[in-house]
Amino acid sequence: GNSVTQMEGPVTLSEEAFLTINCTYTATGYPSLFWYVQYPGEGLQLLLKATKADDKGSNKGFEATYRKETTSFHLEKGSVQVSDSAVYFCALSESGGSNYKLTFGKGTLLTVNP
Amino acid sequence: DADVTQTPRNRITKTGKRIMLECSQTKGHDRMYWYRQDPGLGLRLIYYSFDVKDINKGEISDGYSVSRQAQAKFSLSLESAIPNQTALYFCATSDAASQGQFFGPGTRLTVL
Repeated sequence: GNSVTQMEGPVTLSEEAFLTINCTYTATGYPSLFWYVQYPGEGLQLLLKATKADDKGSNKGFEATYRKETTSFHLEKGSVQVSDSAVYFCALSESGGSNYKLTFGKGTLLTVNP
Repeated sequence: DADVTQTPRNRITKTGKRIMLECSQTKGHDRMYWYRQDPGLGLRLIYYSFDVKDINKGEISDGYSVSRQAQAKFSLSLESAIPNQTALYFCATSDAASQGQFFGPGTRLTVL
């Protein structure tokens, strides 16, 4: 079956540090890949997505590239802010579309200190 | 106003009680989902529905049931709540054109 593995947290960084959260997946076919963010006390929000190999998703300074050869979708940001403190989830959808049921990783808690 | 709303936001109940969690959406999406979030486990799919007459089990449907009363409403029921159903529950919606799924704010359920 499908699975998503993301790096264990928590991750603690200082403001303006570089962020990488690793995500690898197992799936049949050609899944779509997503990063969701959950701010304290809120639901999940879609951060970025990629639907085919070598696609790069980007939003709010975050980026992730769909690497089929390494089955990875690592999240990066060049300079984090305190407001980026949240839980980040990597997810995949096994259908070709972006709307079918999702398989989530366990989440990575990021804390950014001023 | 929020596009996906969940009621109640918080609920404390006792073992054996019947509980209903409600989800409403104004996004006009035809697909709706219920997830459960537990610390260290991420989100797991309980049930999903692709239209009013369609109900499908997810990976952890035992102990839960759902009702799709209308395109905009999708309810999750616990017929006889037990303590290991204590969790954060999320409703989500999507359609064929949406960019991913849209989540409600969550319901925190505690079963004593």
